[in-house]
Amino acid sequence: GENVEQHPSTLSVQEGDSAVIKCTYSDSASNYFPWYKQELGKGPQLIIDIRSNVGEKKDQRIAVTLNKTAKHFSLHITETQPEDSAVYFCAPTDSWGKFQFGAGTQVVVTP
Amino acid sequence: DGGITQSPKYLFRKEGQNVTLSCEQNLNHDAMYWYRQDPGQGLRLIYYSQIVNDFQKGDIAEGYSVSREKKESFPLTVTSAQKNPTAFYLCASRGRRAGANVLTFGAGSRLTVL
Repeated sequence: GENVEQHPSTLSVQEGDSAVIKCTYSDSASNYFPWYKQELGKGPQLIIDIRSNVGEKKDQRIAVTLNKTAKHFSLHITETQPEDSAVYFCAPTDSWGKFQFGAGTQVVVTP
Repeated sequence: DGGITQSPKYLFRKEGQNVTLSCEQNLNHDAMYWYRQDPGQGLRLIYYSQIVNDFQKGDIAEGYSVSREKKESFPLTVTSAQKNPTAFYLCASRGRRAGANVLTFGAGSRLTVL
C-alpha cells in the first residue's frame, strides 16, 4: 500500500539559517506534491506545491525540489524567521485526489 | 471570501454521548473530507465525499458517521462507539488549481471527552 515518510520529525534552527524537510513516498501514481504549514490550533495551509513534470519550484524564501525517480521531494526554507515555526506536512497525491499525509515535521526557529 | 467554516471550535462531551461537528464551505467544491489529528501525528482520513448524497469510509471510520445532503455541508457525528474520541478534527474540501487537486482546510474542532 501507499507509504509516506517525512524526516526529520522535529527540526530546530537558528533564525536566519536554512531548514530542509524530506518526504519519501511509495505510490508511483503520485503526480502532485504539496507542502502544508499548520500553525498551533489552526488548520493546515498550502504553502507550495509542485507537479511531476517539474524538478524545482521557488516562491520567495521557500522552495520545493522533486526527484520522481527516487520518489522523494523536499521543502527548503531559507533565511528562517520566527513566524516559520510550525508543523509542516507533505501530502503526495494522485490524479484521483487521494492525499497521503506524512506524520509532520515540527520546526522551531530560535532567535 | 470563500472558505471552510467549522463549528464549534471547542467541544466537550461526556462518555456515551454522540456529538456532531459542523463543516460548511462556500467554495463550490464537490469533494469534502474529514480528518482526525492526534498530538504529534499526521492527518488520518475518517470519511470523504466526492459528491452530494455519496460518501466513503476512510482509514479510521469506525465510531463515526457522516451525511452529505447539501453540497455546502458535510457534518461529522462522533458516536459513543468511538473508543478514543478526544482529538482535533479537520474538515477540508478539494478544488482544482492549475490542473492539480488542492485541499482547503477549516480551522478545526477540538473535541474533549470528559
